[in-house]
Amino acid sequence: EAAVTQSPRSKVAVTGGKVTLSCHQTNNHDYMYWYRQDTGHGLRLIHYSYVADSTEKGDIPDGYKASRPSQENFSLILELASLSQTAVYFCASSGLGQDTQYFGPGTRLLVL
Amino acid sequence: GMPVEQNPPALSLYEGADSGLRCNFSTTMKSVQWFQQNHRGRLITLFYLAQGTKENGRLKSTFNSKERYSTLHIKDAQLEDSGTYFCAAEADSGYNKLTFGKGTVLLVSP
Repeated sequence: EAAVTQSPRSKVAVTGGKVTLSCHQTNNHDYMYWYRQDTGHGLRLIHYSYVADSTEKGDIPDGYKASRPSQENFSLILELASLSQTAVYFCASSGLGQDTQYFGPGTRLLVL
Repeated sequence: GMPVEQNPPALSLYEGADSGLRCNFSTTMKSVQWFQQNHRGRLITLFYLAQGTKENGRLKSTFNSKERYSTLHIKDAQLEDSGTYFCAAEADSGYNKLTFGKGTVLLVSP
């Protein structure tokens, strides 16, 4: 089973503060993704990356930045956290030609 | 409409019952994945399909790209099947990007 880890697992942030969520995969996967899940809803794609040092906008990128410093690591950055960004954030990875996405355990973010 | 419509939104079953979930797609999709989200919030991959039908124990899933739908059938439901089920489809746009349905909350009762 592919291994994707996330840190922190939960975080409380203040409005206007900076938040960085980290994701690490040990599967040699080329593609990595950040999704958010709001209560009672499915996941929505924020940013993704298909190669180190490059990121792409997903369906809901506003208010978020992403960073892919290496193949294994993918970060999601909230420069100015807002109340509306309270959600659970999931990281996922998949390999080139291996379309199944493997998800991390999620990070629960509460912005106050 | 929504790219991925998932039904029903909620489903209650007694142990031993059979039932099915369905996702309809507004456009042609390249593949579909089905997930179970457990009580801890963890997403568990059930199936990945690019076409056809797959079975795994009491679960069976079908994907028909041409007709734009996918189904997940649960046979002999057990208490541990309770959770939220999501389908997620990949359009033919590359990079394996997924669009999720809103989920089906399944409750299995004794």
